Amino acid sequence: GQQVMQIPQYQHVQEGEDFTTYCNSSTTLSNIQWYKQRPGGHPVFLIQLVKSGEVKKQKRLTFQFGEAKKNSSLHITATQTTDVGTYFCAGRGENFNKFYFGSGTKLNVKP
Amino acid sequence: GAGVSQSPSNKVTEKGKDVELRCDPISGHTALYWYRQSLGQGLEFLIYFQGNSAPDKSGLPSDRFSAERTGGSVSTLTIQRTQQEDSAVYLCASSPIPGQPQHFGDGTRLSIL
Repeated sequence: GQQVMQIPQYQHVQEGEDFTTYCNSSTTLSNIQWYKQRPGGHPVFLIQLVKSGEVKKQKRLTFQFGEAKKNSSLHITATQTTDVGTYFCAGRGENFNKFYFGSGTKLNVKP
Repeated sequence: GAGVSQSPSNKVTEKGKDVELRCDPISGHTALYWYRQSLGQGLEFLIYFQGNSAPDKSGLPSDRFSAERTGGSVSTLTIQRTQQEDSAVYLCASSPIPGQPQHFGDGTRLSIL
């Protein structure tokens, strides 16, 4: 069945360092979404990527969708303590309306 | 409120009991999703509703799990004869149309003793 793999599972960085999380799908995706979940909270939508090779930026966050629409990445430049949380990707299959969530990358930022 | 509302926020019950979890999506959102999140884990898809179409139940882990969505709005997720492995946070999300950003509720934390 369809799966979305996400790595790494955990990342501990010093404030100011960069951070990247990667997602890979076994099949082509129609689109991919990224969510952030703060400790004790619920996932909050960050962005959606639809086009092959698409790159979007939100301040210090850069999101990429692979050319084959099977992988995606989220890169945070110069992390801050407010970036702490778990980042999830969610891929939507080409023929279905449901989303497959990656297992998440838990980011801890040391001040 | 304007967000997705879930109730109860916490539920503790004994093994073997039935539980019913409720989700009130954002008004006008046609797509509704249920997910399960175990401690420190990702989100496991359970079921998806879209308008009046037949739901996609492919993620339900066993026949003890069922869900309904009445009138295209409120949804209930029912777990019969609960087991300890059912303990998790059950999250509901809705979106205006399928494939659009999902808005999540705060979840129901279910604990089976």
